[in-house]
Amino acid sequence: EVQLVESGGGVVRPGGSLRLSCAASGFTFNHYGMNWVRQAPGKGLEWVSGINWNGGSTGYADSVKGRFTISRDNAKNSLYLQMNSLGAEDTALYYCARATSASGSYFNCGYWGQGTLVTVSS
Amino acid sequence: NFVLTQPHSVSESPGKTVTLSCTRSSGSIASNYVQWYQQRPGSSPTTVIYEDNKRPSGVPDRFSGSIDSSSNSASLTISGLKTEDGADYYCQSYDGSNQVFGGGTKLTVL
Repeated sequence: EVQLVESGGGVVRPGGSLRLSCAASGFTFNHYGMNWVRQAPGKGLEWVSGINWNGGSTGYADSVKGRFTISRDNAKNSLYLQMNSLGAEDTALYYCARATSASGSYFNCGYWGQGTLVTVSS
Repeated sequence: NFVLTQPHSVSESPGKTVTLSCTRSSGSIASNYVQWYQQRPGSSPTTVIYEDNKRPSGVPDRFSGSIDSSSNSASLTISGLKTEDGADYYCQSYDGSNQVFGGGTKLTVL
């Protein structure tokens, strides 16, 4: 069974940093692209960032480019999101999502975790 | 980047058929696969259609997807509506190195 468990969320002050983690199990992690998708309270889904199977290709939404960094450790079956210069607009539930098929690319989100909540507030 | 536009809300009765639309603002809808996700209140999204018209195992065949190049849009059709189909539905595609989500459609079945 595919399992994705996010952690690292919490309350952070504006301008602060946070590192999210996603622990993956139930599939061969290094065969799949991975993504972070966020959902602000009462709002829709917003893709944040994606990474291919070996970390050689990444993408970022314009809203986070230059502030967030996605990475993965295939030896630890883990995905990460380093978030810097956080603002109130970054407050959201952050989902880790695995690509649908083992193509290595990250262009869809087949399986989703339960999310970790990030609140940016002074 | 392009925008995917979805109607904000749709209502239909149980047993009927509903079609949700997703229109791409620029570039061809056929150039990149479209996915559809269902999100029930308080739950994480799940995939109901991937690669335009494929259903993951466990998704009933009441759900079907298609694309229409003439209107540059994708559609999710749900037949034999059940009250449990009431949820938010999001279309998603990609371009270059980025994914794009539609704004979502709230489907009410009553």
